[in-house]
Amino acid sequence: KAGVTQTPRYLIKTRGQQVTLSCSPISGHRSVSWYQQTPGQGLQFLFEYFSETQRNKGNFPGRFSGRQFSNSRSEMNVSTLELGDSALYLCASSLDLPGNTGELFFGEGSRLTVL
Amino acid sequence: EDQVTQSPEALRLQEGESSSLNCSYTVSGLRGLFWYRQDPGKGPEFLFTLYSAGEEKEKERLKATLTKKESFLHITAPKPEDSATYLCAVQANSGYALNFGKGTSLLVTP
Repeated sequence: KAGVTQTPRYLIKTRGQQVTLSCSPISGHRSVSWYQQTPGQGLQFLFEYFSETQRNKGNFPGRFSGRQFSNSRSEMNVSTLELGDSALYLCASSLDLPGNTGELFFGEGSRLTVL
Repeated sequence: EDQVTQSPEALRLQEGESSSLNCSYTVSGLRGLFWYRQDPGKGPEFLFTLYSAGEEKEKERLKATLTKKESFLHITAPKPEDSATYLCAVQANSGYALNFGKGTSLLVTP
């Protein structure tokens, strides 16, 4: 059974640019969550999608956005990149809303470096 | 505001030397407390879910326990392959997002 796939794995951008990250969840999983991981702040929740609807959103500025498609694949976008956006962006999928089991299946992440 | 604090930040053990990792939390109504393991360059991997005080879960050399204010991850006779960062997270009744602690980096030497 294929795991959560995130692309690209690594990317380098400059300040002011925008970036789109992609996530393919495990087959059959309808919930997709995004987290930002940095050494200083740890893992922080960005947003969660279920059946193409954003159900929850973390405390991030509007430059961070996302969407989910009918096949459950998800993308997140960061516009007007800042140096502080350098981080590992993790996508996680689950069968249903995490409230049911709390078991999230994480991808290996997309490591974004902003110069 | 929900808060999760893990200690110690880093722990070095000799193979076979048992120890415990701590996760202290404050949350307005706990839906669940979760432990994950993260290896370098990988995403976190789910270990346990605990729902109520007094609950315990075990998996191989790991045992997780929960009280009303903290959770412990006990590691019995660890092996080098147990080296990883262990993350604790809480989920409040009011939402579905997991609030993670910053983790404990465990190194087990032969």
